[in-house]
Amino acid sequence: DAKTTQPPSMDCAEGRAANLPCNHSTISGNEYVYWYRQIHSQGPQYIIHGLKNNETNEMASLIITEDRKSSTLILPHATLRDTAVYYCIVRAVSGGYQKVTFGTGTKLQVIP
Amino acid sequence: GAVVSQHPSRVICKSGTSVKIECRSLDFQATTMFWYRQFPKQSLMLMATSNEGSKATYEQGVEKDKFLINHASLTLSTLTVTSAHPEDSSFYICSAGRGGYNEQFFGPGTRLTVL
Repeated sequence: DAKTTQPPSMDCAEGRAANLPCNHSTISGNEYVYWYRQIHSQGPQYIIHGLKNNETNEMASLIITEDRKSSTLILPHATLRDTAVYYCIVRAVSGGYQKVTFGTGTKLQVIP
Repeated sequence: GAVVSQHPSRVICKSGTSVKIECRSLDFQATTMFWYRQFPKQSLMLMATSNEGSKATYEQGVEKDKFLINHASLTLSTLTVTSAHPEDSSFYICSAGRGGYNEQFFGPGTRLTVL
């Protein structure tokens, strides 16, 4: 699986959009971009994933650049409960049966 | 979605004792489960892949005789930390995949403290 690079930490004001970047310049054509988050002392939670098109669900939006070398996770209206570590992961499969390799992630602090 | 539970949520034990952690898929069958370990302020590290009815596959550097994994049914995998020592104190998390879903479903984690 390709390596990802994320900023170690970010702050976001409550109610504003949180934009979390991820660099995956060595991504292969068959690799998907996944995002998970981990709230303190809890198990990780799946957020969203995509291959090359932008994706949106009830939690977030995922914007993948045309060359697929980077992506941005957008939380449109951040709340205090969104404070967590966010992991960007690149995986060669779309299924849930393969292992997930976590990097260091971005610690997002939502500020009142 | 799908629910994965872990038991216990936290455990404190004396050095030298063994501790068993259970991971259950509550509303689906999981032929494959994964075990992770997370030290304070660090990311999750995959320890092993647990396969129903067969031996677990351990990641490099993980002692298979110390971390015993048993996946005896399609809804239950157990991790036993044998002869636990203070350096085994950590947050242990399991996950499972489910047919028809692209993501892994993670348990809430078990906090192990070895005195």
